[in-house]
Amino acid sequence: EAGVAQSPRYKIIEKRQSVAFWCNPISGHATLYWYQQILGQGPKLLIQFQNNGVVDDSQLPKDRFSAERLKGVDSTLKIQPAKLEDSAVYLCASSLSRSTGELFFGEGSRLTVL
Amino acid sequence: SQELEQSPQSLIVQEGKNLTINCTSSKTLYGLYWYKQKYGEGLIFLMMLQKGGEEKSHEKITAKLDEKKQQSSLHITASQPSHAGIYLCGADDSNYQLIWGAGTKLIIKP
Repeated sequence: EAGVAQSPRYKIIEKRQSVAFWCNPISGHATLYWYQQILGQGPKLLIQFQNNGVVDDSQLPKDRFSAERLKGVDSTLKIQPAKLEDSAVYLCASSLSRSTGELFFGEGSRLTVL
Repeated sequence: SQELEQSPQSLIVQEGKNLTINCTSSKTLYGLYWYKQKYGEGLIFLMMLQKGGEEKSHEKITAKLDEKKQQSSLHITASQPSHAGIYLCGADDSNYQLIWGAGTKLIIKP
């Protein structure tokens, strides 16, 4: 079974530039999550999708971050314009449903903003 | 809001020794999850605990949720280099949203 795929693995940009991350969850997983993990901290949920609908985006900085999951499968997270404090690893995870408790994570996309 | 505190923040252990990592919640835990993260990689699910007093084991790793459901411990017996990494606890808050501890970094000395 293929795992959660994320790309790119690494990205370096200058502040005020834009960046997009892509995630393809495990086939059949209805729930998809985007997390931001700053070095030394636990993951912080940015947005949770159930199929193609948003369940929770309360911690998403909507003035600069956007995410979509148009067909209920893969998803894109965009940052525009980026700030220095956006430097982090962006983790995508998926699960069969929110109630299973077991999330499957991708390897993450490490963003450095200079 | 509910918070998870992990201790210690980091741990250096001689290979072959036992160790314990703790996760303490500010509120009652409805579901507690342990994950492991290697540097530069995603999180790998280890175990889920839901009932007070519940204990689960996977290979040499044992996790327990205390009776009052506000603390969980993760115990590794006879540690090996493959156990090195960051251990994170996660929990369902009252809205069944996952919250996370900051992680415990484990280094195994050969």
